[in-house]
Amino acid sequence: ETGVTQSPTHLIKTRGQQVTLRCSSQSGHNTVSWYQQALGQGPQFIFQYYREEENGRGNFPPRFSGLQFPNYSSELNVNALELDDSALYLCASSLGVSSGEQFFGPGTRLTVL
Amino acid sequence: DAKTTQPNSMESNEEEPVHLPCNHSTISGTDYIHWYRQLPSQGPEYVIHGLTSNVNNRMASLAIAEDRKSSTLILHRATLRDAAVYYCILRDPGGSQGNLIFGKGTKLSVKP
Repeated sequence: ETGVTQSPTHLIKTRGQQVTLRCSSQSGHNTVSWYQQALGQGPQFIFQYYREEENGRGNFPPRFSGLQFPNYSSELNVNALELDDSALYLCASSLGVSSGEQFFGPGTRLTVL
Repeated sequence: DAKTTQPNSMESNEEEPVHLPCNHSTISGTDYIHWYRQLPSQGPEYVIHGLTSNVNNRMASLAIAEDRKSSTLILHRATLRDAAVYYCILRDPGGSQGNLIFGKGTKLSVKP
């Protein structure tokens, strides 16, 4: 059974650019959640996708958008990057939206200069 | 969502038991208590969860107070690999969103 994988592992962008982060969910999981973790803080919920539809969103602006594909993999897109977007971006998969057991990937470290 | 309160940091000696406390005085009747941990340079990892009764699994035990306003995660014999940030999270499975709300957690240090 393959766990949650994320790519790339590290990324450096400049302010104003756009970025796409990718996540492959654990086999059989139909729900993907994205979190942003600033240094020294706990992860903050961005949004969740269930069967290709957005199922909830945290307090993030519209320039944070996402997609889920028929194979349940997912993308996080961030437009017009700001310095404060520098963080670890975590993807978590689960079997259904009600499951409290989410399986996290190792994250993508984004640095915005 | 109800909030949790945890100590910022704790220290333990290797091979000794560790009791990590969590206060959640505003917990609702449908909130489950979840514990996750995050090892350095890794994503969070599920540890255990429970509703009312104490729970045991291969990683840890969860002791829940009778009034459910507090809980304790118990690591029976701490190892160096248990050094991590431990998060106590309340979650209602019937809620409209499936997200986990993380606080700052407790940073556990384990001394050899």
